[in-house]
Amino acid sequence: GESVGLHLPTLSVQEGDNSIINCAYSNSASDYFIWYKQESGKGPQFIIDIRSNMDKRQGQRVTVLLNKTVKHLSLQIAATQPGDSAVYFCAENYMNRDDKIIFGKGTRLHILP
Amino acid sequence: ETGVTQSPTHLIKTRGQQVTLRCSSQSGHNTVSWYQQALGQGPQFIFQYYREEENGRGNFPPRFSGLQFPNYSSELNVNALELDDSALYLCASSSKREGLNEQFFGPGTRLTVL
Repeated sequence: GESVGLHLPTLSVQEGDNSIINCAYSNSASDYFIWYKQESGKGPQFIIDIRSNMDKRQGQRVTVLLNKTVKHLSLQIAATQPGDSAVYFCAENYMNRDDKIIFGKGTRLHILP
Repeated sequence: ETGVTQSPTHLIKTRGQQVTLRCSSQSGHNTVSWYQQALGQGPQFIFQYYREEENGRGNFPPRFSGLQFPNYSSELNVNALELDDSALYLCASSSKREGLNEQFFGPGTRLTVL
């Protein structure tokens, strides 16, 4: 069946260090992947996306890597800041179908001072 | 802020009751999707509305229904509430006119069923 999951439920990172959040997906038909950030009391916020014809995409302080061979997705956050504390979700979508987004369970990122 | 608003912010109901949640999409967006997020879980897709019609549905029973209005705002209705319906309900708006674009989420409505 469809599933998008994460390897670790929590991640603690020293302020200023780089963070890497991992995600595994099971459906090889998925062709679009998104990372969301959700702060307490707020809805998910789009961070970065990547289509299946790419293996890397960079944004401001964030990089998403896609390895279709092992069905693995990662989010790298450079120079982690206190404001990066949140729950991060990877999600998948099927561009040729409806806009249904399938979310994983999330990883909580803790920033250590 | 995304420009997507939801009301109410919090709601308490009892089992068997009915509830209506509301969502106003971001200006220029014609598509609204609804998600249920249980505590500690990722959001689960309920359904999507485009041009006032349902355009895709997740694994939710028929007692979950919705509407989209000509101004693209939307309602989520849940009948015969169950304890497990307690969750954060999120709506997200997007624009099909521009192809598959990112979905902008509202802050959610926290529903508690007692």
